[in-house]
Order: sequence, then structure tokens, then C-alpha cells
Amino acid sequence: DAKTTQPDSMESTEGETVHLPCSHATISGNEYIYWYRQVPLQGPEYVTHGLQQNTTNSMAFLAIASDRKSSTLILPHVSLRDAAVYHCILRVAGGNNKLTFGQGTVLSVIP
Amino acid sequence: GPKVLQIPSHQIIDMGQMVTLNCDPVSNHLYFYWYKQILGQQMEFLVNFYNGKVMEKSKLFKDQFSVERPDGSYFTLKIQPTALEDSAVYFCASSLGGGGAETLYFGSGTRLTVL
Repeated sequence: DAKTTQPDSMESTEGETVHLPCSHATISGNEYIYWYRQVPLQGPEYVTHGLQQNTTNSMAFLAIASDRKSSTLILPHVSLRDAAVYHCILRVAGGNNKLTFGQGTVLSVIP
Repeated sequence: GPKVLQIPSHQIIDMGQMVTLNCDPVSNHLYFYWYKQILGQQMEFLVNFYNGKVMEKSKLFKDQFSVERPDGSYFTLKIQPTALEDSAVYFCASSLGGGGAETLYFGSGTRLTVL
């Protein structure tokens, strides 16, 4: 699976909208973009995923660049519960299905 | 979302003893995974399992490790014998199908302490 690049950390204030960037310049046409988040002492939580089109669910909006070389996870109106490490991971369709985690982005939320 | 259950949440064992970590995956899922995370470090893939067989294992999946899912019950990770460096949090995950379009769901982990 291709590599992703994320900032080490970001900070936000409660109620703000947060944009978490992810760069994946060598993404292949059959690679999905997945986002997971993890808080200390808990397992990773699925946030969202997409292939080409922007996607939205109750947790977040995923904006995928038209050339697919970058994406942005948008968290509207963050709360303290959104403080976590956010992982952007690429996975090949039809691949062996494992997830390869990196360091991710540590999102801090200030009251 | 779908729930993966891991029991117990914490296990303490003496070095050299055997330990079995239990995972109750999402009921209709067919693919199963174990990951290892040392405190403060990133998640590391250990192994994935489908149709009674190991599909892929990493270098961290030592000879002392084994996995099975007897009769569709718990998916287990057995370590025999345990070593001090096996102390970590072990996360189980499951997915409905194979391939990149299938979402993995994780349990809350079992913290293993080897004394």
C-alpha cells in the first residue's frame, strides 16, 4: 500500500471545524483512503473511507482532491471527545486487507 | 457501529507461562486480525486469518504465537511461552470480507503484562 504523510499534531478549540490533511502523492487508482482514530487505552475507531468521491457520515466529511493525491478529513464542531490520534491509511481493493498504521496526527481540543 | 469484544481487558502472567487472548468478533464477519501496540508506540500488524488459515503474518508474529478460531467461536491468540517483550496491548479486529473496500472493526484491546 502506498504511503501517506500527515502532520504530527494539530490543535483546535471546542466548537470549531477542524481540517486534518493527508498527502498520498503515490496513491494507485485502486487504493481506498481510510480514516481511523484512536484514543489512549482504546482500539482504533473507524471514521470514514472513500475512493474518488467526497463522502460524509455522522462523524466527518472526507474531501478527496480531484487527482486523489491528497485528502482532508473535516470534523465539524469538534468536542473534547474528538481529541484523538487520527490515522489516514491507504488500502488496495482486492488486497490482503490488513491496515498499516503510521504515527497519525494527534488532535488536541481545547475547551 | 459493529462491536468486537475482547476478554479480559487486562491479563498478568509470569514469563514462560502460556497465555490465550480471546476475541469475540462481529457475528457475520469472516476475516480476523491481531495487532500489537506497545505503550506510546504505533499499532503493529501481527496476523490475519480467514477460513481456518493464516493469510499473512508479520515478523512480530513469532514462532511462539498461534491463532485459531475453533468451531466459529472465539478467535484466539496464544503465546507459549511468553517473554517480557510480549508485554503490550493486543487488539483484535474483524471484517466481513477481504479486500480494501471492507472496513475493519477493532476491539478495545487486552493489556498483557508479562512479569
